[in-house]
Amino acid sequence: EAQVTQNPRYLITVTGKKLTVTCSQNMNHEYMSWYRQDPGLGLRQIYYSMNVEVTDKGDVPEGYKVSRKEKRNFPLILESPSPNQTSLYFCASSLVGGRFEQYFGPGTRLTVT
Amino acid sequence: AQSVTQLDSHVSVSEGTPVLLRCNYSSSYSPSLFWYVQHPNKGLQLLLKYTSAATLVKGINGFEAEFKKSETSFHLTKPSAHMSDAAEYFCVVSGGGGADGLTFGKGTHLIIQP
Repeated sequence: EAQVTQNPRYLITVTGKKLTVTCSQNMNHEYMSWYRQDPGLGLRQIYYSMNVEVTDKGDVPEGYKVSRKEKRNFPLILESPSPNQTSLYFCASSLVGGRFEQYFGPGTRLTVT
Repeated sequence: AQSVTQLDSHVSVSEGTPVLLRCNYSSSYSPSLFWYVQHPNKGLQLLLKYTSAATLVKGINGFEAEFKKSETSFHLTKPSAHMSDAAEYFCVVSGGGGADGLTFGKGTHLIIQP
């Protein structure tokens, strides 16, 4: 089944404790991206990747890191999480780029206390 | 730079009546435009997309949208609302010029009254 998976689905952590949210797709898509969703703000793009070893900042990259060492994986790293990063996070992939349909993962709800 | 404005944060209609969700965009290049739907506690699903072909785009579940360049609008419509249409709807723009970032509108919550 073609899908985007994210892990963990739910995470509660404390300020400053480094964490990684994994994202994997099995559709051989070149484009992958991360979003955060906050009430009243919609989804905002954090980072995107056009292909392996190619990443670029979205609208809200501060406090986040990404890497794209393999085509199928695109982990999101919070080196020192803060409470303002409490949010619902979505990973997505598409065939080539932003102009193509995005396939979204199920979401990761992160709480930073 | 690109931006999206969804003109209504909430829209309430009665079942069986038409739906209109409004979206205006700004883009320095010829954009691609999308509408996505998010049902409660679910991920996002593509409704339809415009990528410089026909200006009237038909999507799933009876939805359609018309791209109007002169008005920089991409409004979403459906002739007859169904209870299952109750959800959050997002208008999305992806610019050109080598930039493939996506910008989402803040969303419109569609409420269907029985």
